[in-house]
Amino acid sequence: QTVVTQEPSLTVSPGGTVTLTCASSTGAVTSGHWPNWFQQKPGQAPRALIYTTSNKHSWTPARFSGSLLGGKAALTLSGVQPEDEAEYYCLLHYGGIWVFGGGTKLTVL
Amino acid sequence: QITLKESGPTLVTPTQTLTLTCTFSGFSLSTSGVAVGWIRQPPGKALEWLTLIYGNDDKRYSPSLEDRLTITKDTSKNQVVLTMTNMDPLDTATYYCAHRERSAFDYWGQGTLVTVSS
Repeated sequence: QTVVTQEPSLTVSPGGTVTLTCASSTGAVTSGHWPNWFQQKPGQAPRALIYTTSNKHSWTPARFSGSLLGGKAALTLSGVQPEDEAEYYCLLHYGGIWVFGGGTKLTVL
Repeated sequence: QITLKESGPTLVTPTQTLTLTCTFSGFSLSTSGVAVGWIRQPPGKALEWLTLIYGNDDKRYSPSLEDRLTITKDTSKNQVVLTMTNMDPLDTATYYCAHRERSAFDYWGQGTLVTVSS
């Protein structure tokens, strides 16, 4: 069974920069895994941020960016705002099926 | 404007079959590359991808739940139906449907909480 791993929690100061990563138990994450990233706040449905590694949706703030880094998918937040405190999930594609990571709880402190 | 909304029972007894409906607007499942998927989230836990259906009726299932899941569509009604058999208390979760296009799950429904309890 394929497992997608994310940092359980990260803390960042307002105005700072933080990178969340997403690893695959099958090996290096590539663009072929079509990495997606989502933000979820308590009591809300997930909101899509990034698709196919680095593409932003029309509503995605400019401070969010996606990339591949050291064999993992990565989500970088630059100039973090208090409202960025949330759970973040990555989603990877494996030949027709999709697998979510366990999520990263980002605290802005 | 794309919208999706989940509907179905809020309470299911163990061993029962769950049927949830996703009613959508703003897009057509007949469009090439467009799909609707189901994702669930147990209280306080992570998201879990369940299944996906395309307009050409191609279907994909999570390997761990494949024997319990069925996804169907009614293109004329703009609906996608998820069926999950042999429900267990561990299946208690918020169930979401989402629009998928260009390898992105971009629009999500608000979710519906299903509790499995006797």
